[in-house]
Amino acid sequence: NAGVTQTPKFQVLKTGQSMTLQCAQDMNHEYMSWYRQDPGMGLRLIHYSVGAGITDQGEVPNGYNVSRSTTEDFPLRLLSAAPSQTSVYFCASRAGNSNQPQHFGDGTRLSIL
Amino acid sequence: AQSVTQPDIHITVSEGASLELRCNYSYGATPYLFWYVQSPGQGLQLLLKYFSGDTLVQGIKGFEAEFKRSQSSFNLRKPSVHWSDAAEYFCAVGAPRDYKLSFGAGTTVTVRA
Repeated sequence: NAGVTQTPKFQVLKTGQSMTLQCAQDMNHEYMSWYRQDPGMGLRLIHYSVGAGITDQGEVPNGYNVSRSTTEDFPLRLLSAAPSQTSVYFCASRAGNSNQPQHFGDGTRLSIL
Repeated sequence: AQSVTQPDIHITVSEGASLELRCNYSYGATPYLFWYVQSPGQGLQLLLKYFSGDTLVQGIKGFEAEFKRSQSSFNLRKPSVHWSDAAEYFCAVGAPRDYKLSFGAGTTVTVRA
């Protein structure tokens, strides 16, 4: 049972570099989302998608792009990394109904120098 | 929009003692409520959820939570804590027809021998 798979697990970038965090799920879930986790702030929603070809912004979308070309994959792109984007990033997926729990990946720990 | 507050940042309990973690939500109707646990370096795992029916819900690892509409609360309890329960716990709230899930800031639980 793979569930939600995130790669890489760790990454160090320099300010201004770009990178893509990968997320894939094998549960045929319609809904996928990206969160960032910072100390004392819980998880904050960056972007989400309710199906292939459909994405929308969460509460902290600036500096990030997403796309959803397939049901399985939902990559998160940092266009020009900034130190404020140092965080732990989690991808999650969920079946269609909002009363269903989200399934989380193990996270990507990203440091921007 | 819904929101959630976890008043306790850090709780220390002795092994074998009882544990209660507080969660207060803000939403105009009955929300969807979730408790997740995060062990160090791991993703989030669902402990239990509530969206209707019996207000006392049982979850995994011996946890339970009670929904109290009058107090807008969904507190998590465990009668006897084990050392392996040391982790960070997150309360989350969702709503019908709303794709977004709002998380509290989390409560870190330390278990002492």
